[in-house]
Amino acid sequence: AQTVTQSQPEMSVQEAETVTLSCTYDTSENNYYLFWYKQPPSRQMILVIRQEAYKQQNATENRFSVNFQKAAKSFSLKISDSQLGDTAMYFCAHNYGGSQGNLIFGKGTKLSVKP
Amino acid sequence: DAGVIQSPRHEVTEMGQEVTLRCKPISGHNSLFWYRQTMMRGLELLIYFNNNVPIDDSGMPEDRFSAKMPNASFSTLKIQPSEPRDSAVYFCASSLGLGAGSYEQYFGPGTRLTVT
Repeated sequence: AQTVTQSQPEMSVQEAETVTLSCTYDTSENNYYLFWYKQPPSRQMILVIRQEAYKQQNATENRFSVNFQKAAKSFSLKISDSQLGDTAMYFCAHNYGGSQGNLIFGKGTKLSVKP
Repeated sequence: DAGVIQSPRHEVTEMGQEVTLRCKPISGHNSLFWYRQTMMRGLELLIYFNNNVPIDDSGMPEDRFSAKMPNASFSTLKIQPSEPRDSAVYFCASSLGLGAGSYEQYFGPGTRLTVT
């Protein structure tokens, strides 16, 4: 069965600092996709970044980047120059890239950015 | 683009009543997903459609839950009769499709359902 594990229920970081959120997943597939979603207090789910498993290069979107370790089945999110607006729940999600469309979500990490 | 639209944003109802949640996916998206989010269980996929056809409804908790997608621009999730344990935030999401490269799902703002 596919699973996604986020081992850090809560984290905090000072404004302008860098923070890394961890995610591990389990799959027997070779071609799949990984995502990080952000859910601020407004509860809107916002796609932050995605990674295709066949790409070795780590995805980057402005201050957000990932460290994708396929062999270790690890997919961490690094937020650089943290801003107060980054305060949110962050969910790691996995889709194994076949004809199935559903995402498997982790339980989430609550990130607080402190001034 | 207006994004995924859900209505109502909040719903408070009494146990035993019928509840209907509505979703309009992003235009041009062929796949639509219904999720439920609770503190205890996190985000759960209830059902998803592709080209208006239900593909997997194994996440629907009970026969009290039903979902339809009569056309490409509208879907409903119905709970009849509702129970207090159905209280949750219900999200609708859409994506271009189920093929390679189409996997980003875009979420609506959610409907917060409270059953008293």
